[in-house]
Amino acid sequence: GENVEQHPSTLSVQEGDSAVIKCTYSDSASNYFPWYKQELGKRPQLIIDIRSNVGEKKDQRIAVTLNKTAKHFSLHITETQPEDSAVYFCAASKNFGNEKLTFGTGTRLTIIP
Amino acid sequence: DTEVTQTPKHLVMGMTNKKSLKCEQHMGHRAMYWYKQKAKKPPELMFVYSYEKLSINESVPSRFSPECPNSSLLNLHLHALQPEDSALYLCASSQDRRDNSPLHFGNGTRLTVT
Repeated sequence: GENVEQHPSTLSVQEGDSAVIKCTYSDSASNYFPWYKQELGKRPQLIIDIRSNVGEKKDQRIAVTLNKTAKHFSLHITETQPEDSAVYFCAASKNFGNEKLTFGTGTRLTIIP
Repeated sequence: DTEVTQTPKHLVMGMTNKKSLKCEQHMGHRAMYWYKQKAKKPPELMFVYSYEKLSINESVPSRFSPECPNSSLLNLHLHALQPEDSALYLCASSQDRRDNSPLHFGNGTRLTVT
């Protein structure tokens, strides 16, 4: 089955700086890669996703890049703000769908004011 | 209504008890999911229902029994659980299991088995 590794497990950045979280996946058939944000005690929420036919996607301060050859994808957050503090999970699945999403182990991001 | 509602928020049960977790959505989504999340770990898929039929069971022990009475409701019946089953149980829904419409998660039921 699919295996998703995520690094780093914890990340602290100064407010206003950029944060980068990286994930690698094992199954070359995976073609859908969402990122979820989970604030303390709250539900996971989708923040951005990318399909394998696209190399990069941006939404305001958030971007995701995908390297299919190397089987890795990254989340980039620019101009970080205190409300970006949360646990971020990457995930991967086949068939461009949510069926059998495999999540990474999570990154706890702390923004230092 | 763009929410997935889960009840109860917290549940404490003994190993001999029978209890049920409930999940409801009114977004017209046809796929519903149960995930289990242990502390500081990612969500792990347990079950997927598609159009009210069980489509995926991730080798979950039979002490967990899912039920989908209609397209808006999803239950998880619990019986003879073990302390290691203590976790946050998350329900989610999406338009369809095979597209990449967002997964909408509920706030979860925090289960403690004593």
